[in-house]
Amino acid sequence: QVHLVQSGAELKRPGSSVKVSCKTSGYIFTQYYMHWVRQAPGQGLEWMGWINPNSGGAHYAQKFQGWVTMTGDTSSDTAYMELTSLKFDDTAVYYCARGSLLNDAFDVWGQGTMVTVSS
Amino acid sequence: QSALTQSPSASGSPGQSVTISCTGTSSDIGRYNFVSWYQQHQGKVPKLIIFEVTKRPSEVPDRFSGSKSGNTASLTVSGLQTEDDADYYCSSFAGNNNWVFGGGTKLTVL
Repeated sequence: QVHLVQSGAELKRPGSSVKVSCKTSGYIFTQYYMHWVRQAPGQGLEWMGWINPNSGGAHYAQKFQGWVTMTGDTSSDTAYMELTSLKFDDTAVYYCARGSLLNDAFDVWGQGTMVTVSS
Repeated sequence: QSALTQSPSASGSPGQSVTISCTGTSSDIGRYNFVSWYQQHQGKVPKLIIFEVTKRPSEVPDRFSGSKSGNTASLTVSGLQTEDDADYYCSSFAGNNNWVFGGGTKLTVL
């Protein structure tokens, strides 16, 4: 089966950075895009961007351009999302979600990583 | 890109049908047949239930169906069951390598 296993919860100070990992298994990592989606407490889903693990190319939602970086490590089949200059309202659960075969939906999701920004 | 618009809540009794709508624009839902729907139970991970407007993953019951007309997509849940009580999110490709979600609809099975 396809599995996406994310790194554990993080507590960060405002202005710091966080890097969340998403370890994949059960499929060929380079054949599917990986998306990142976040969900603030009690709020809806927000799409952040994608990484193409085959080319290393990435695209970010306009809101996150300049302070998010998505990467992939083909030696370990792991995707990463780094968010810098953290603010209080970056407190959220961050999900990795695999793009479907045609990359038109998010067919498998990681379990989520809670990132709390607090002073 | 702006979020898609969903009604905050919907409800129905077991056995009934309920339809949840998702309104976008001519730049997203109206232009592309890449609308998907996700079910999220409280405290759980979102689950894909509809993709490409009308298609269901094999493990999703056929009680769930999707459609689209113009800039509005819809999810219909027939024969409501208690386990359908959850939040539902629509999503659409929005062009220029971007995706967008709706704000979510909380479905309550009475």
